[in-house]
Amino acid sequence: DAGVTQSPTHLIKTRGQQVTLRCSPKSGHDTVSWYQQALGQGPQFIFQYYEEEERQRGNFPDRFSGHQFPNYSSELNVNALLLGDSALYLCASSPKGKAADTQYFGPGTRLTVL
Amino acid sequence: GESVGLHLPTLSVQEGDNSIINCAYSNSASDYFIWYKQESGKGPQFIIDIRSNMDKRQGQRVTVLLNKTVKHLSLQIAATQPGDSAVYFCAEKGMGPEGGSYIPTFGRGTSLIVHP
Repeated sequence: DAGVTQSPTHLIKTRGQQVTLRCSPKSGHDTVSWYQQALGQGPQFIFQYYEEEERQRGNFPDRFSGHQFPNYSSELNVNALLLGDSALYLCASSPKGKAADTQYFGPGTRLTVL
Repeated sequence: GESVGLHLPTLSVQEGDNSIINCAYSNSASDYFIWYKQESGKGPQFIIDIRSNMDKRQGQRVTVLLNKTVKHLSLQIAATQPGDSAVYFCAEKGMGPEGGSYIPTFGRGTSLIVHP
């Protein structure tokens, strides 16, 4: 079992561009959550998907959007990139409705906006 | 909104010593807390959790203590090893959407450095 995988591992973009990050959940997991982790900070919740719909959203602007596919994999899209969007983007998967000890994080995608 | 924070940004210990990482929380209604370990280049990894109806919980080499009176949480690591070097986060776990998974609110983190 490969666990939670994310791609790409690193990405460099310029201001105003758009980016798509990808996540494959751990086998048997149907819920995917995305987090933004700025340098030296804890992860901040962006949104959670299950059954191919956004179910809950954190305090992030509409420039952040996502999608979940029938195979439970997910994408995070960020439009009109700002310098402040530079961060590690983490994906976490879990079985629906389960608690913390069943949630697994991926290694993240490091996004740098120049 | 409510916050979860840590007292110290960095803790340095010698291999074999016991480590104590502290965390303060501000939401008195919080009833579920989790400790995570994040190694360089990896995502956070669940270590141990505790519910508010408990004041202590033990795992393998780790103990979490909860003091609801002063809204304080601590993680104790016994016989600290170089492999314990990482950033440790406490998190308050809020209820997610109906049918969905819980969503943690993370604090800033404490960097634990273990010297051989």
